Amino acid sequence: GQNIDQPTEMTATEGAIVQINCTYQTSGFNGLFWYQQHAGEAPTFLSYNVLDGLEEKGRFSSFLSRSKGYSYLLLKELQMKDSASYLCAVRDSNYQLIWGAGTKLIIKP
Amino acid sequence: IAGITQAPTSQILAAGRRMTLRCTQDMRHNAMYWYRQDLGLGLRLIHYSNTAGTTGKGEVPDGYSVSRANTDDFPLTLASAVPSQTSVYFCASSTDSNQPQHFGDGTRLSIL
Repeated sequence: GQNIDQPTEMTATEGAIVQINCTYQTSGFNGLFWYQQHAGEAPTFLSYNVLDGLEEKGRFSSFLSRSKGYSYLLLKELQMKDSASYLCAVRDSNYQLIWGAGTKLIIKP
Repeated sequence: IAGITQAPTSQILAAGRRMTLRCTQDMRHNAMYWYRQDLGLGLRLIHYSNTAGTTGKGEVPDGYSVSRANTDDFPLTLASAVPSQTSVYFCASSTDSNQPQHFGDGTRLSIL
């Protein structure tokens, strides 16, 4: 079966750095996406990785290792507005997205 | 403002009733998707459409139907609602199946 694993919840301090991990087992791989979802709102696209390595976009970076079936999202200089759920999704061999249950990130002052 | 519009925002429905959730996008995206999101679970794909005139089944299609008569609209119909269909439903679209998906604000549906 297909499976995406993420920690259920993480807590971090304003101004700090946090790394949210995602491991996956899917039928085929055609890219990995990270989305942010604030409570009661729609998911919004953050980043996309298809090749191994680090993609940096401002305070957010995403890393991929296809051989390990592993990705992480790195958030730097945390702000209170970063409190949200972060969703990892893998595009499988049918070009459909398989979603993790999300990691709820709590930022404390 | 370009984007995806879903209606209604929320609905309480009696079991056995028929219900259509509406989704309209004005970005001329070819691909559209319907997901349900339940607490503790990831988004699950119900149905999708890669282009106008075509549809496909996702992970959890039973009890749901869709149509894609034109590029902009992708309605989701529950023929006879059951309590297990209580969920938040998100419509999404993308330029094609290779591109990131953009989501509507969701419909919160409760089946009693």
